[in-house]
Amino acid sequence: DAGVIQSPRHEVTEMGQEVTLRCKPISGHNSLFWYRQTMMRGLELLIYFNNNVPIDDSGMPEDRFSAKMPNASFSTLKIQPSEPRDSAVYFCASSLPSGRSGAYEQYFGPGTRLTVT
Amino acid sequence: RKEVEQDPGPFNVPEGATVAFNCTYSNSASQSFFWYRQDCRKEPKLLMSVYSSGNEDGRFTAQLNRASQYISLLIRDSKLSDSATYLCVVTFFTGGGNKLTFGTGTQLKVEL
Repeated sequence: DAGVIQSPRHEVTEMGQEVTLRCKPISGHNSLFWYRQTMMRGLELLIYFNNNVPIDDSGMPEDRFSAKMPNASFSTLKIQPSEPRDSAVYFCASSLPSGRSGAYEQYFGPGTRLTVT
Repeated sequence: RKEVEQDPGPFNVPEGATVAFNCTYSNSASQSFFWYRQDCRKEPKLLMSVYSSGNEDGRFTAQLNRASQYISLLIRDSKLSDSATYLCVVTFFTGGGNKLTFGTGTQLKVEL
C-alpha cells in the first residue's frame, strides 16, 4: 500500500487566494483526519470523518476553512480566502474505524507545507 | 489548562543514556493512549500504544497511571537515531468516533 497520499507537498500562495489540499487515505480505512501543525500550537485536529461523514469539526478555525469527503478514497481541505496566519503544515491521517473500546493507530500522510504571503 | 501537557525539552543526552518523558492529561474519560514519534520535517508515526499494565517494546517502556492522569515513556540505551520529537496522544470517544489530542511534543537530542 502506498500509504496516505497528500498533494501538493508544498504550496506558496498570496493572501486572499483559494487553497485546496487533497488527501487519499489508505484503502479500507474508514476514518480520516485533517490536522494543522505550527511551532506555536503544535498539532491540532481540524476535522475528522467516519465513513465519509464529518463527525467533529470543532477544530476548524474559521468559516474560511471547509472540508469535504465525497467518497471513501478522497478528501479535500479548502481555505478561502487564505491569510498569512494560515501558514502551517497540514497533515491528513487515516485509520480503521474506532469505537467505544478505543482508537486505532493513525497513519499520517507526508503533509502539505503551506506558505501564505 | 491544556488537554495534554508535555515538557517541550529539548532533552540533550549522551548516547547510551536512559531518558524519561512525562505527559499529563486533563480529561479523565480518556480511553486510549499512545506515544508517536516525529522526525524533523516528517509526519508523526506511532511508536507504541500505552496499556494500563504498562508495556515494553525493546528499549522503550510506556506506563500509564489513570489515577494521576499521567503517562510516561522511558528510553534505555539511547541511540543517535532516537533523536526526534516524542508526542503524547490521548483519545476519548465522542459519540461518533475517537478524537485524538496530541501534546506539543518533547524534543530529544542524543549526542555522541
